[in-house]
Amino acid sequence: NAGVTQTPKFQVLKTGQSMTLQCAQDMNHEYMSWYRQDPGMGLRLIHYSVGAGITDQGEVPNGYNVSRSTTEDFPLRLLSAAPSQTSVYFCASSFDRWGNQPQHFGDGTRLSIL
Amino acid sequence: GQQLNQSPQSMFIQEGEDVSMNCTSSSIFNTWLWYKQDPGEGPVLLIALYKAGELTSNGRLTAQFGITRKDSFLNISASIPSDVGIYFCAGRGAQKLVFGQGTRLTINP
Repeated sequence: NAGVTQTPKFQVLKTGQSMTLQCAQDMNHEYMSWYRQDPGMGLRLIHYSVGAGITDQGEVPNGYNVSRSTTEDFPLRLLSAAPSQTSVYFCASSFDRWGNQPQHFGDGTRLSIL
Repeated sequence: GQQLNQSPQSMFIQEGEDVSMNCTSSSIFNTWLWYKQDPGEGPVLLIALYKAGELTSNGRLTAQFGITRKDSFLNISASIPSDVGIYFCAGRGAQKLVFGQGTRLTINP
């Protein structure tokens, strides 16, 4: 049982480049979300999805896009990377579409923007 | 937006000591969760609380959902070296989790 799988684990980008962070879960969870973790600030919600075809913005959505074409996958796209997006990104999922059940996290993607 | 204040930010204790940390909010939450994060890994759920006043234990860990629904605490008894890490509280609002800033626990053997 893989749980929540994030790829890549590490990435370095130049300012202005675009890239997609992948997230996949094999638990048939309806609710999926993306967070960024910065020192001293805990985890902040970027975008979330309550099911295939449905996405919504979280606390810090600017500069990021998401889509949910399948239940399993929830990719996060950086359209034009900026140094302020240097962070550790976590994907999480939970069973119910409302996020009432505890969320399970992946191991993170460490992203540096030069 | 909603914010959680988690304290203390860091703790340095001796092995065997008890640990206490808490989270407070200006908003009411329906669920409180406590997570632990080890270096290089994602947060792992420790305890989930669903009712105001609920007191729940998981081994040496005990957590409570405050009566006002605006706070929660986590206690760790008889700390051991593997308790080292960052502990996060999280409160669930409408379809979203709000996280505290974390408490970094360091244990001297």
